[in-house]
Amino acid sequence: GEDVEQSLFLSVREGDSSVINCTYTDSSSTYLYWYKQEPGAGLQLLTYIFSNMDMKQDQRLTVLLNKKDKHLSLRIADTQTGDSAIYFCAANHGNQFYFGTGTSLTVIP
Amino acid sequence: GAVVSQHPSWVICKSGTSVKIECRSLDFQATTMFWYRQFPKQSLMLMATSNEGSKATYEQGVEKDKFLINHASLTLSTLTVTSAHPEDSSFYICSAQGNEDGAFFGQGTRLTVV
Repeated sequence: GEDVEQSLFLSVREGDSSVINCTYTDSSSTYLYWYKQEPGAGLQLLTYIFSNMDMKQDQRLTVLLNKKDKHLSLRIADTQTGDSAIYFCAANHGNQFYFGTGTSLTVIP
Repeated sequence: GAVVSQHPSWVICKSGTSVKIECRSLDFQATTMFWYRQFPKQSLMLMATSNEGSKATYEQGVEKDKFLINHASLTLSTLTVTSAHPEDSSFYICSAQGNEDGAFFGQGTRLTVV
């Protein structure tokens, strides 16, 4: 299997940027994903990056991938209270997904 | 993105009864579906992977006779928790993967066994 790790908690003030970090162990992972889970709900795919890319930007979201260090980050610009949720990173090869523990993001008004 | 519908959203059942959870891909064909279990404040634990028309592949430690998975069509997979007990109470989430990148998740089913 693969180990995917994230810090458990992050608090930011509304309007600031949030950066959620993730590390993984298997360099053959083909895709890396970020999912958002709101309380009591399923997971919503936010964005993903192919392993041969360094960066992907999608509106307020920026994904950075350092393949050498096996480090993935998600930056949320101008964080809003509606961004409060748990964010999971996931690594994929073939049909298998490996999830991190999730980072609980709290946005302080 | 693609839509995956999971039903029911929540269910309460008596100990010893069976519960069926459905997972449907609404606008795409899902060649592979995954079933996860999530304990409070924890990450998702993959229970099994199912490909349409074949037997599911269960992760180590998951009882296949207790968690019956059927993937009879490209748009529907079901998870049946048989002879449910209170320790089976959890949040169950399915995901479906078609030809698009990424797996799309259902809304989840909160099962409470009393």
